[in-house]
Amino acid sequence: DQQVKQNSPSLSVQEGRISILNCDYTNSMFDYFLWYKKYPAEGPTFLISISSIKDKNEDGRFTVFLNKSAKHLSLHIVPSQPGDSAVYFCAAPAVSGGYQKVTFGTGTKLQVIP
Amino acid sequence: DAMVIQNPRYQVTQFGKPVTLSCSQTLNHNVMYWYQQKSSQAPKLLFHYYDKDFNNEADTPDNFQSRRPNTSFCFLDIRSPGLGDAAMYLCATSRGGATNEKLFFGSGTQLSVL
Repeated sequence: DQQVKQNSPSLSVQEGRISILNCDYTNSMFDYFLWYKKYPAEGPTFLISISSIKDKNEDGRFTVFLNKSAKHLSLHIVPSQPGDSAVYFCAAPAVSGGYQKVTFGTGTKLQVIP
Repeated sequence: DAMVIQNPRYQVTQFGKPVTLSCSQTLNHNVMYWYQQKSSQAPKLLFHYYDKDFNNEADTPDNFQSRRPNTSFCFLDIRSPGLGDAAMYLCATSRGGATNEKLFFGSGTQLSVL
């Protein structure tokens, strides 16, 4: 049962335009979401997060939107830069038995074309 | 810089030959995790340590074991690797187990089984 879904395996965007990466979840108990970015041959690194008490969180060029009723979140990158080319994972942690268990999506590979 | 270090970056083993992957951290985090990631799939949690407390995921095969001799080091032992165990193995840490704790990943070890 894939509780966190990223239905677009890949996305290509022109440099300077907006990139929109989508994520859907099924577990209504999730109350915190994170996006991780992964370059080839490197581990994922934290990018941005959002709590369920908010519907938007912004950090520079990156903004995450959360629609709780639709169980949907999206990551917006404006303007997109070639260095943003990477795989982006949506993640939702839950505390189970006193520890944090993170459920990841399958990732979206973003290519920003110069 | 404080970080999570995984060795080796690439590991080749033979079918059935035991192999150990290592992870060290200088972040002094309480929690260390091992994830398995196969191509185009989401990272899958195998197990984690909260300090010395070991937590195994229910669906982690018995073939996979882990050791954490001290705060800084954690090992993944695969007793009899099968072809299906070829994957990227990611070590991660977090300060604690709360849902808003972000994970810090190593660069991963790509395991090949011949």
